[in-house]
Amino acid sequence: IAGITQAPTSQILAAGRRMTLRCTQDMRHNAMYWYRQDLGLGLRLIHYSNTAGTTGKGEVPDGYSVSRANTDDFPLTLASAVPSQTSVYFCASSAGTSQDTQYFGPGTRLTVL
Amino acid sequence: GQNIDQPTEMTATEGAIVQINCTYQTSGFNGLFWYQQHAGEAPTFLSYNVLDGLEEKGRFSSFLSRSKGYSYLLLKELQMKDSASYLCAVIDSNYQLIWGAGTKLIIKP
Repeated sequence: IAGITQAPTSQILAAGRRMTLRCTQDMRHNAMYWYRQDLGLGLRLIHYSNTAGTTGKGEVPDGYSVSRANTDDFPLTLASAVPSQTSVYFCASSAGTSQDTQYFGPGTRLTVL
Repeated sequence: GQNIDQPTEMTATEGAIVQINCTYQTSGFNGLFWYQQHAGEAPTFLSYNVLDGLEEKGRFSSFLSRSKGYSYLLLKELQMKDSASYLCAVIDSNYQLIWGAGTKLIIKP
């Protein structure tokens, strides 16, 4: 079944630890995105990639990094986690432009203590 | 700055009709999305408007007025499964997607 997957589903992490959230899509979409969603706030874009090999910064990129080595995978890394990074993280993909529908993964619930 | 306003929460009765409004102030406009998000789940696409007018899709309709910076999502014949958050998102002049905080819709029997 075509779609987008994320791992892990949830994670509790000690502050200062490094963590990589995984995201894989099998729809051959060019564009991929990482969002965080916090209560009372809209989805906030962390990083995006318009095509394999390129990445860009979103609204809240500090403390996060991404890579896009191929079309399918778009991992998000927290180099040294802080409590303010406690959030639900969604990965999404779209065919190519902002006018294309975004398809979201199931999310990763991350708690940093 | 860029801003999207939606009511935080709305309550409606099963079988009724509800209208969820979204007003936006953005640097340009290149389209507007509505997504549905059930608690603990991912957002899923509902509708896309780029021209003024009403787009109907089954029980759900979405309206856009670009001159007023305004959209609404109309849900008819409400069902309990429609209890969810509804997210409005606008594409600005830089083709960036700006998200509203969402409207939590509570359906009562």
